Amino acid sequence: GDSVTQMEGPVTLSEEAFLTINCTYTATGYPSLFWYVQYPGEGLQLLLKATKADDKGSNKGFEATYRKETTSFHLEKGSVQVSDSAVYFCAPLTQGGSEKLVFGKGTKLTVNP
Amino acid sequence: GAGVSQSPSNKVTEKGKDVELRCDPISGHTALYWYRQRLGQGLEFLIYFQGNSAPDKSGLPSDRFSAERTGESVSTLTIQRTQQEDSAVYLCASRPRTAWNTEAFFGQGTRLTVV
Repeated sequence: GDSVTQMEGPVTLSEEAFLTINCTYTATGYPSLFWYVQYPGEGLQLLLKATKADDKGSNKGFEATYRKETTSFHLEKGSVQVSDSAVYFCAPLTQGGSEKLVFGKGTKLTVNP
Repeated sequence: GAGVSQSPSNKVTEKGKDVELRCDPISGHTALYWYRQRLGQGLEFLIYFQGNSAPDKSGLPSDRFSAERTGESVSTLTIQRTQQEDSAVYLCASRPRTAWNTEAFFGQGTRLTVV
């Protein structure tokens, strides 16, 4: 079945450090790929997405590239800020009969000043 | 409304009681999802609706869990004979089906506590 393997957390970084959160997936067909973020005390919201191979999604300084050959969608940011502290979820959306949106287990990021 | 609305926001119930959780999706969104998020855990898929049919209900944990949807509108998740392990935040999301690459929009969730 469809599944997502996401880098285990928690991740603790200092401000201005480089961030990578790994995500690989198995999915039926050719999925769209999403990263969602959950800030403390808030609901889930879309961070970025990519819908075809080699597409790069970007938002708020975060980037992720759709790698079909490695079925990966790793999240990166060159210089994190304290305000980036949150839980990040990778999610492929399958196509076809069931448009199932499956989430990874989430990676909690804490950025210290 | 402007966003996905869930009610109640908090629910405390006694073990063995039935509960109903409500989700009002964004108007015009044909796809609707229910998830469960236990404390400190990820999102566990429960069920997916397309219109008022459920093509995928594979995530419902047991026959105590059921869900319905009226047309392309309100959905209700019902948990019968609640158990303490049902305590979690239940999240609802909706998305338009105008294109397969559209994102889902989430409600704030219902925090269920079974005592």
